[in-house]
Amino acid sequence: QSVLTQPPSASGTPGQRVTISCSGSSSFIESNPVNWYQHFPGTAPKLLIYSNNHRPSGVPDRFSGSKSGTSVSLAISGLQSEDEADYYCAAWDDTLHGITFGGGTKLTVL
Amino acid sequence: EVQLVESGGGLVQPGGSLRLSCAASGFTFSSYAMSWVRQAPGKGLEWVSGISGSSDNTYYAASVKGRFTMSRDNSRNTLNLQMNSLRAEDSAVYYCAKDSQFYSGYDSSYFDYWGQGTLVTVSS
Repeated sequence: QSVLTQPPSASGTPGQRVTISCSGSSSFIESNPVNWYQHFPGTAPKLLIYSNNHRPSGVPDRFSGSKSGTSVSLAISGLQSEDEADYYCAAWDDTLHGITFGGGTKLTVL
Repeated sequence: EVQLVESGGGLVQPGGSLRLSCAASGFTFSSYAMSWVRQAPGKGLEWVSGISGSSDNTYYAASVKGRFTMSRDNSRNTLNLQMNSLRAEDSAVYYCAKDSQFYSGYDSSYFDYWGQGTLVTVSS
């Protein structure tokens, strides 16, 4: 059982704004920066957001990250059909001495 | 351009061994930690193991500790994962991933590049 919890699925229509949450204990979220990855099955995962709310160069500004309390969130605005993918949050876990991933959220564009 | 190319996957019987490799190019390999991450069929991403830039720190997930050994050859820009005592639940696509830092988990590190993955199937 991961220390990071994501909803298994999310959906939206083209043009909508969708948010995906990643929750954990307050101490974990406070102490461990969270990264977000986009994954199309069968391809290499891609970094979307690092350190809670920083966007790497090349990632569209439609993608944004935020942190509030015991959760971090990934927001996708102006939803497009090509955004249909799996999204994972992840963070370093000092207890495990390793990276822990959330269970992943499958985003469907209706 | 950063490139990570995994190899070595295949079909192996339970209890068998397999050695995965990841050839890296386009960056100073020895300056960054590396990890292996896997995805079993129908499951999410699972971190397997990580190694610092100089190999002084190596970490493993509890599910593979004692069975898998991660190493790197900085002179050949190659990452390796020796997998022994393989089980059906080890069947997955294995990705190598480049960390943004010399040590994973330090200074808000993250995986900035990933390979395309290599498929490991453990079955009789």
